Amino acid sequence: GAGVSQSPSNKVTEKGKDVELRCDPISGHTALYWYRQSLGQGLEFLIYFQGNSAPDKSGLPSDRFSAERTGGSVSTLTIQRTQQEDSAVYLCASSLSRGGFQPQHFGDGTRLSIL
Amino acid sequence: QQQVKQSPQSLIVQKGGIPIINCAYENTAFDYFPWYQQFPGKGPALLIAIRPDVSEKKEGRFTISFNKSAKQFSLHIMDSQPGDSATYFCAASGDTDKLIFGTGTRLQVFP
Repeated sequence: GAGVSQSPSNKVTEKGKDVELRCDPISGHTALYWYRQSLGQGLEFLIYFQGNSAPDKSGLPSDRFSAERTGGSVSTLTIQRTQQEDSAVYLCASSLSRGGFQPQHFGDGTRLSIL
Repeated sequence: QQQVKQSPQSLIVQKGGIPIINCAYENTAFDYFPWYQQFPGKGPALLIAIRPDVSEKKEGRFTISFNKSAKQFSLHIMDSQPGDSATYFCAASGDTDKLIFGTGTRLQVFP
């Protein structure tokens, strides 16, 4: 398909384990964003990539969270030593280029549950 | 100052009604205001967006009204249908690229 693809769609893991979430943006989109949506809440910005660099990491909640993007395409969000409060839906979005006027297109997210 | 406040939390209307969802912001640097529609288990989908140089924008049955002086904007859904039942989020962005989202409005449209 032509949309943003995220995997896995669901992830259940035990507290203290590390998890990796993957995002495959729309082909040709240079900007990539990660957001977190907790139950019944709005979306919370985590990190933004332009190409392979991350000019804005201001939303990462702790140093247990990290992300990288390679080849200007696929991005991976890693959460180390997961905690129960990390349970949420992690959403990835991409846009053609940077700039607020560029529409951000979202994937369907990874639903992360920490037991 | 980065917040976007959205109301109501939930809304129930009958088919054909005109639900209105309101958002307010503080940061005058915001210059892009999109609305997203989200169905259960899906990611948000862009519905319509507005910039502050216009006061109203229509796309199909969806209209954004924008009041720059009051720092408020709203979404109107004309002739609402049961298929419009979803959660709607307003958002804003400015000199940074990240979107600041409201907390969402769950809309239910009954036949």
